[in-house]
Amino acid sequence: GQSLEQPSEVTAVEGAIVQINCTYQTSGFYGLSWYQQHDGGAPTFLSYNALDGLEETGRFSSFLSRSDSYGYLLLQELQMKDSASYFCAVRDGGYSTLTFGKGTMLLVSP
Amino acid sequence: NAGVTQTPKFQVLKTGQSMTLQCAQDMNHNSMYWYRQDPGMGLRLIYYSASEGTTDKGEVPNGYNVSRLNKREFSLRLESAAPSQTSVYFCASSGGVGEKLFFGSGTQLSVL
Repeated sequence: GQSLEQPSEVTAVEGAIVQINCTYQTSGFYGLSWYQQHDGGAPTFLSYNALDGLEETGRFSSFLSRSDSYGYLLLQELQMKDSASYFCAVRDGGYSTLTFGKGTMLLVSP
Repeated sequence: NAGVTQTPKFQVLKTGQSMTLQCAQDMNHNSMYWYRQDPGMGLRLIYYSASEGTTDKGEVPNGYNVSRLNKREFSLRLESAAPSQTSVYFCASSGGVGEKLFFGSGTQLSVL
């Protein structure tokens, strides 16, 4: 099976940079995804890494190291609206479903 | 531009009652999923359908049944609700299994 570990909570201030880490254990590996969920809302897709390195999308970047079974989501120029839960998810096979971590709640303060 | 639509948004049941959660997507996706979300537990897969006509169990299928009615619709049925099924349920779809998921707005279910 798969298991993912991510911090339960991270706090930061507006304008700062925050990194949310995710380590995983899988029998195989096809890619690491990140989803954002605001309180009371639906999860929405943020990014996907299949290969090592950094993927940048505006203020958000996601990094993957396959050899370390590790990835992170980097949020820059934090805004209050970034307060949300962030989930990493792994895909361990070509036609396998996603397995989600338990989520990291990010609290951004003024 | 509806995406994934699920109904109802809220439901209260008594133990032993049955109900069906409905889900429909208009993105012509092949794969559809039902997840439940409990505090501190993340999203756990109940059942999924890789394509029309197929369904498979996920991590937590006990107490649930599903029907892939057609390519658009995937329903989740609780035959005899239990308090342990109190949760928020999300339907999702994707172009293929394991690809980017699009989620519905969720159903908050309470079983008393």
